[in-house]
Amino acid sequence: QVQLQESGPGLVKPSETLSLTCAVSGYFINNSYYWGWIRQPPGEGLEWIGSIYHSGSTYYNPSLKSRVTISVDTSENQFSLKLSSVTAADTAVYYCARIHEVGFGAYMDVWGKGTTVTVSS
Amino acid sequence: SYELTQPPSVSVSPGQTASISCSGDNLEDKYASWYRQKPGQSPVLVIYQDNMRPSGIPERFSGSNSGNTATLTISGTQAMDEADYYCQAWDSSLWVFGGGTKLTVL
Repeated sequence: QVQLQESGPGLVKPSETLSLTCAVSGYFINNSYYWGWIRQPPGEGLEWIGSIYHSGSTYYNPSLKSRVTISVDTSENQFSLKLSSVTAADTAVYYCARIHEVGFGAYMDVWGKGTTVTVSS
Repeated sequence: SYELTQPPSVSVSPGQTASISCSGDNLEDKYASWYRQKPGQSPVLVIYQDNMRPSGIPERFSGSNSGNTATLTISGTQAMDEADYYCQAWDSSLWVFGGGTKLTVL
């Protein structure tokens, strides 16, 4: 059974870099699939942040592209998110998810439980 | 950039059929997926590839996609189906979510 678990600081200061990790169990991350990050500000909807293919190709939301980096660590079987120059608008629950191939619908079938990140001084 | 539009809210009586729409340019040319999210929980995939149900999702959940609109249909709606529902599609290397629809069962 594939499971994803987000981890990282729950509080980040404005202008600093938010760093989160998603540990994957039950599947080797470099075998296949895309792996992605999605966030949800309080009381709002889901926003796709970015995705990384098992080969390392990355895809980012144009609205966040200048501040986002997603990478994969195959030795630890995890992938990471870095979001720089954060503001209060980046306060959200951050989810990681497994994403099926785009030719098959690019849907997210396994989600982590989410981690709350607050941006505040 | 590509956009998906959902109604903010839909209400349905228990036992009746609920339909939630998701509109986007030529959406029928893409695959639509649907997610259910209950308060304080992670989203759960309920429909993928327009009309496929993952294992464990009840048969009362179905989907369709034609023209510019994808539709999630819940037949015999139960109180436990009350949640936020999001559609999602992929376009030009970007993943897009609809704004979400709050389904109220009353």
